[in-house]
Amino acid sequence: EIVLTQSPATLSLSPGERATLSCRASQSVNTYLAWYQQKPGQAPRLLIYDASNRASGIPARFSGSGSGTDFTLTISTLEPEDFAVYYCQQSGNWPPWTFGQGTKVEIK
Amino acid sequence: EVQLVESGGGLVQPGGSLRLSCEASEFTFSNYEIHWVRQAPGKGLEWLSYINTRGTTVYYADSVKGRFTISRDNSKKSLYLQMNSLRAEDTAVYYCARDVRAFDIWGQGTLVTVSS
Repeated sequence: EIVLTQSPATLSLSPGERATLSCRASQSVNTYLAWYQQKPGQAPRLLIYDASNRASGIPARFSGSGSGTDFTLTISTLEPEDFAVYYCQQSGNWPPWTFGQGTKVEIK
Repeated sequence: EVQLVESGGGLVQPGGSLRLSCEASEFTFSNYEIHWVRQAPGKGLEWLSYINTRGTTVYYADSVKGRFTISRDNSKKSLYLQMNSLRAEDTAVYYCARDVRAFDIWGQGTLVTVSS
């Protein structure tokens, strides 16, 4: 089973700042890595698939990069609606499909 | 609107059973692989089960293998999760999610509470 480790657990930033979230896989997943945003009481929303492709309707301030075992989600300029929990998920080696434990982006 | 809608959650006693449903709308359900994912209160996302387009290939997480059964009825555009021998640790919001290179469409979730 591939384990995904996200860091940091919590990121405290102000609107307008840049957010950089990390996801590390226990073994290579090639580029089969996705990022999701989840707000309280809501279902997760797909942001990025295949490591660097934005899903439909996702603003350009969200970008993903990486391959193999190290991945990054960057939010270039935080908007108030971006404060949420972010999860990475791999589909490079399954079953099982696995998620990271999440990074909470909170308002500083 | 392309969407998935779960139903069937509720309160059940330990050892009991429950059947969740997930109904698709505004897309050709039979063309897509689908997953179940759950989220315990205050916790992260846990993948549970997968089914291919024809229902001939299924996979389960170790935590539910032998207790949960995934199935689908393409004529009804519906996915199901039969949950038996439920435990307190199965308490969670259960989501169905469509698989298109990632989990691109999620339902709103249905809450399952296992408690006496």
